[in-house]
Amino acid sequence: QKEVEQDPGPLSVPEGAIVSLNCTYSNSAFQYFMWYRQYSRKGPELLMYTYSSGNKEDGRFTAQVDKSSKYISLFIRDSQPSDSATYLCAMSVGDGLTFGKGTHLIIQP
Amino acid sequence: DVKVTQSSRYLVKRTGEKVFLECVQDMDHENMFWYRQDPGLGLRLIYFSYDVKMKEKGDIPEGYSVSREKKERFSLILESASTNQTSMYLCASSVGRIPQHFGDGTRLSIL
Repeated sequence: QKEVEQDPGPLSVPEGAIVSLNCTYSNSAFQYFMWYRQYSRKGPELLMYTYSSGNKEDGRFTAQVDKSSKYISLFIRDSQPSDSATYLCAMSVGDGLTFGKGTHLIIQP
Repeated sequence: DVKVTQSSRYLVKRTGEKVFLECVQDMDHENMFWYRQDPGLGLRLIYFSYDVKMKEKGDIPEGYSVSREKKERFSLILESASTNQTSMYLCASSVGRIPQHFGDGTRLSIL
């Protein structure tokens, strides 16, 4: 079983919809959870960073961590065409990150 | 605006060549990282550096070395390039141990 599982998509939704992106993991020692956004032909950019369980909100983005289920989510409200990108989850015990393979998201105008 | 700059967007080299990939950051960050990104395998850490002249192996260091002589510059060296090193190489920097800012990558082809 891979350490971090992420559905590659593509996930296609209409503009304005709420988007849910998810990752599951197997290593219960992970404590830090990150979401990165990567546009085509660009490097990833750090979107959200959470420690332990719970929710964290930043504008239209909400990151949710459920350590009991080993499951993390990124919600995007009022999705825009500019949100079309690949979203990578990542997690860490301390040094070093384990990345998911990314979900390709398409927001249809 | 913060910037991580990689010297080349595209590079083509031959098997056996010694290849240098350069990365410069302008944010005075302590930590710098080199990753490679491959379809179906995701991002994998090659090396990172937490200070000048300091380096730590990542998950896949074999066939690579690094150099950090100045705080702003982190170089990745392919000692003797092989075809399985054809990949997208991404450099990143950060204040802490979580990479924050990535460059736009160097797509390296080894023929």
